[in-house]
Amino acid sequence: QSALTQPASVSGSPGQSITISCSGTSSDVGGYNYVSWYQQHPGKAPKLLIYEVNNRPSGVSYRFSGSKSGNTASLTISGLQAEDEADYYCSSFTTTGTLNWVFGGGTKLTVL
Amino acid sequence: EVQLVQSGAEVKKPGESLQISCQGSGYSFSNYWIGWVRQMPGRGLEWMGFIYPGDSDTRYSPSFQGQVTISADKSITTAYLQWGSLKASDTAMYYCARHDDTADYWGQGTLVTVSS
Repeated sequence: QSALTQPASVSGSPGQSITISCSGTSSDVGGYNYVSWYQQHPGKAPKLLIYEVNNRPSGVSYRFSGSKSGNTASLTISGLQAEDEADYYCSSFTTTGTLNWVFGGGTKLTVL
Repeated sequence: EVQLVQSGAEVKKPGESLQISCQGSGYSFSNYWIGWVRQMPGRGLEWMGFIYPGDSDTRYSPSFQGQVTISADKSITTAYLQWGSLKASDTAMYYCARHDDTADYWGQGTLVTVSS
């Protein structure tokens, strides 16, 4: 079961906006609106940021937004802050394989 | 308040068995899937498998099928991840998460270290 494709790293300066991509296929990202994004700080459990492509759970900053075009989902973080430095993972429903869920490989965000 | 509380860190030798747990509270435990996630040192997240405590329906990733056993006891709102014979390569952090169409609540993680 292949992982979704994310860039290994992205960086940005405080106040800037960055976008992290999550590429899949029509059997996962492109075919269903069940894409989630998670943030993980070092030594901490992952935290849900976005679900169903573009929905924010209560308590998640408006600076985090999600979108999808074709087989690629994206997470945009606006107004970068130092505390945004973390690893970010996408996950999607998939019809490939026996397990219906798959993660991306993760992206390390560095705030310069 | 929804909470998932995992059992504590474990240090084991290769070949030993192990069961770690994940106790849910603050919601209807039987009605949500519980997923288990492996994170090897310095690596990304991997779904290992899921269990639906209501009827014990269990799904495994091909990478973990036959390597681990996922179970649940809904009477005590606890899910389990079990190894029959640990290997050094099982050294990792393991997370449980409540999962519907997203993993909205996560346990704090259980660090498993396997070393001779």
